[in-house]
Amino acid sequence: DQQVKQNSPSLSVQEGRISILNCDYTNSMFDYFLWYKKYPAEGPTFLISISSIKDKNEDGRFTVFLNKSAKHLSLHIVPSQPGDSAVYFCAASKYNQGGKLIFGQGTELSVKP
Amino acid sequence: SAVISQKPSRDICQRGTSLTIQCQVDSQVTMMFWYRQQPGQSLTLIATANQGSEATYESGFVIDKFPISRPNLTFSTLTVSNMSPEDSSIYLCSVSRDSTYEQYFGPGTRLTVT
Repeated sequence: DQQVKQNSPSLSVQEGRISILNCDYTNSMFDYFLWYKKYPAEGPTFLISISSIKDKNEDGRFTVFLNKSAKHLSLHIVPSQPGDSAVYFCAASKYNQGGKLIFGQGTELSVKP
Repeated sequence: SAVISQKPSRDICQRGTSLTIQCQVDSQVTMMFWYRQQPGQSLTLIATANQGSEATYESGFVIDKFPISRPNLTFSTLTVSNMSPEDSSIYLCSVSRDSTYEQYFGPGTRLTVT
């Protein structure tokens, strides 16, 4: 049972344009969502998060949007840079789960110069 | 964020043997976790390493196969026991400083079992 899904395994974007990475979840009890970036041979790096009481959180070039009714979140990167090329994972958590994160399958972003 | 190191960074092991992976954090943290990323798959939580007590394992993972120690607030080990090729994965430790949800990951240990 895949509770967190990233249906696009890959995405290619031109440098300077917007990258939009999508994530869907099935469990309405999730109350916190996170995005991680992972380069090859490195551990995931925390990017940005959002609580279920919000619908938007922004940090520099990165914005996460949450649509609870649709059980959907997205990560916007504007403008995209070649250094953003990596695998992006969304993750979800529930308050009473002791910090356990449920990860999606990841989307590989390629930003072309 | 915390600075997290893992040893070894990679290893190639024969089936039937065991490997112990170490995770060291540069400061005290509340929570430590162990994840596995099988080839082409997402990250899956193996267990929560509890300081001074037995680890809390997720469904599908057992202590006999993945014994975990956490002797203090900055160090933990994961042992992969009686390895088979199906255990070939990247093993990652992560930490959380407090009750917030953000977890910070180590660089991972790439294990290949032949």
